[in-house]
Formats: sequence, structure tokens, C-alpha cells
Amino acid sequence: DQQVKQNSPSLSVQEGRISILNCDYTNSMFDYFLWYKKYPAEGPTFLISISSIKDKNEDGRFTVFLNKSAKHLSLHIVPSQPGDSAVYFCAALPGSNYKLTFGKGTLLTVNP
Amino acid sequence: NAGVTQTPKFRVLKTGQSMTLLCAQDMNHEYMYWYRQDPGMGLRLIHYSVGEGTTAKGEVPDGYNVSRLKKQNFLLGLESAAPSQTSVYFCASSSPWPSGSYEQYFGPGTRLTVT
Repeated sequence: DQQVKQNSPSLSVQEGRISILNCDYTNSMFDYFLWYKKYPAEGPTFLISISSIKDKNEDGRFTVFLNKSAKHLSLHIVPSQPGDSAVYFCAALPGSNYKLTFGKGTLLTVNP
Repeated sequence: NAGVTQTPKFRVLKTGQSMTLLCAQDMNHEYMYWYRQDPGMGLRLIHYSVGEGTTAKGEVPDGYNVSRLKKQNFLLGLESAAPSQTSVYFCASSSPWPSGSYEQYFGPGTRLTVT
């Protein structure tokens, strides 16, 4: 049973436009969510996170939105840059422990 | 700070051979993790450790063993490698205190091929 779902395996956008990556979860015990970015042949790197007590967190060009009632979160990248091209993983954990559950990832391609 | 390092970066094994992957972190983190990444599968937790001398099973522990004899090191062992263990292995570490962050820091990965 996949508890964290990223239903879009890939997304292609033009440079300067907005990229929106989506993530759904089924476990209502999850209360902390993270996004990671991964380039080929490298380890994942942390991008941004959000606690369930918030519905939005912003860091520069990156904003994460959380809709708890829909069990849905999204990552917005504005404006998108070619260097943002990577695989993006959504991850979640319950506050009671420290084990992350990852989605399968979305490959973002930003075209110049 | 080197962060999280992994050795080796690449390895090819024959079925039935054994090997140990080494993970080291210099951030004084309490928690350490081993994941595997397979195409279309995301990252799956193999084993983890919440402190020196402690280990626990994750989502896909079969065929692997781990040890955490020192706080900064976390070893992943394959006693008898199988082709199904061909994967990219990532080590990670984290420490929820004092920052209160659940962020995990990842190493660069080890690409293992079992023939």
C-alpha cells in the first residue's frame, strides 16, 4: 500500500514559468512533509518542508502548500530555471517517529 | 564538514558473494538510515539506527544486516548477494534536536550490480 503518491512520473515546463509538483498521502498520522531534489548520480538533497500546523511555507522560489483535508500537498517553483531539472521526491513522517516514507518521484524538466 | 560519505561508490558482485557498505557522518547525528532506490520505486528504507549500538528493520530488510558500533558509522552488509539486490544504496542521517528538524541528509550513493 503506497502511503505517499506522486501520480505524475514526469513534468515538462518552459523556463520562467511555474512548475507545480503534486503529492497525495493516505496516512492521517503524517504530520510533517518534506520535498527533496535529486540530480542523477547524486544523493537527494533537502529542499523545503512543512508542518501540519501550517498550510504554506515559502523559501525563495519554492513554496509548499498543504491541504490536510484533501491529504494533498504541492510544490510550486516560480520562476522555473533549467537548473531545477531533477527528480523531486515528496516524503512524509508522523511526528512520533523519524522514519520518512517517500513517494516514487517526479522528473521535472525545465526547457530553456 | 564532509557531511555523509559512502564507500565504495560502485561495486559489482557475483551471486552469492558478500560485501559491506560503509557510511560515515561527521554531523554528530543520532539517527542513521540505509535506503535503496530502484527505478520507479522511490526510496525504500532497509534498516535504521536511533543511536550507537541500536538497529531496527525498515520496509525491505530481508537479505541485509547492519551494525552501528560507533555513532558516526553505519554499516550495511550483504551476506549472500542476489541479483534482486542490484540497486543504488543511499545512507542518510538526521538529528531532530536541537533544531527540531526532521530533515535527513543523504550521502552520494553506492551503485551495486549483482550478476
